[in-house]
Amino acid sequence: DQQVKQNSPSLSVQEGRISILNCDYTNSMFDYFLWYKKYPAEGPTFLISISSIKDKNEDGRFTVFLNKSAKHLSLHIVPSQPGDSAVYFCAASGTTSGTYKYIFGTGTRLKVLA
Amino acid sequence: EAGVTQFPSHSVIEKGQTVTLRCDPISGHDNLYWYRRVMGKEIKFLLHFVKESKQDESGMPNNRFLAERTGGTYSTLKVQPAELEDSGVYFCASRQGTHGELFFGEGSRLTVL
Repeated sequence: DQQVKQNSPSLSVQEGRISILNCDYTNSMFDYFLWYKKYPAEGPTFLISISSIKDKNEDGRFTVFLNKSAKHLSLHIVPSQPGDSAVYFCAASGTTSGTYKYIFGTGTRLKVLA
Repeated sequence: EAGVTQFPSHSVIEKGQTVTLRCDPISGHDNLYWYRRVMGKEIKFLLHFVKESKQDESGMPNNRFLAERTGGTYSTLKVQPAELEDSGVYFCASRQGTHGELFFGEGSRLTVL
């Protein structure tokens, strides 16, 4: 059972426009969410995170929005740049018996067109 | 500061053979995780160490997989005997404290023929 879902396997956006990547989760115990970016043949690198006590977190061109009632989060990249082309993974975690297990989605491949 | 390092970067073995993957976490990181990504699917959780103790091994596929973290420093993940479905990229990640971002290594690609 996939607890973290990224339903769009790919997305193409023109350079300079906004990229919106979406993520849904099913477990209401999740209270911490992260976005990672992955280039080919490299490990995922951390982008931005958000705690469930917030509904928005911003870091430069990257903003994450959290809608707890809908169990949905999104990553906005503005403006999109060709170097942003990568696979983006959403991840979620929550305390279960005092441990943190990070659950990842299947990823969305973003292509920013010059 | 050195990041998470993994060895080997790529291993090609025959079905039935044994492979051992190694992970050196960032110094001082008590939390160490193993993940696997198969054929463009999700990055799937395997297990979580806190220091030398297995905190959660609910993601380990079966008893052909054995993970250790002697002394709470580096970790090894052994697959014995390897099967075709074990092919994929095995990622190690580490984290300091009880919360926060995971730092990933570049992964060990395993190909079982």
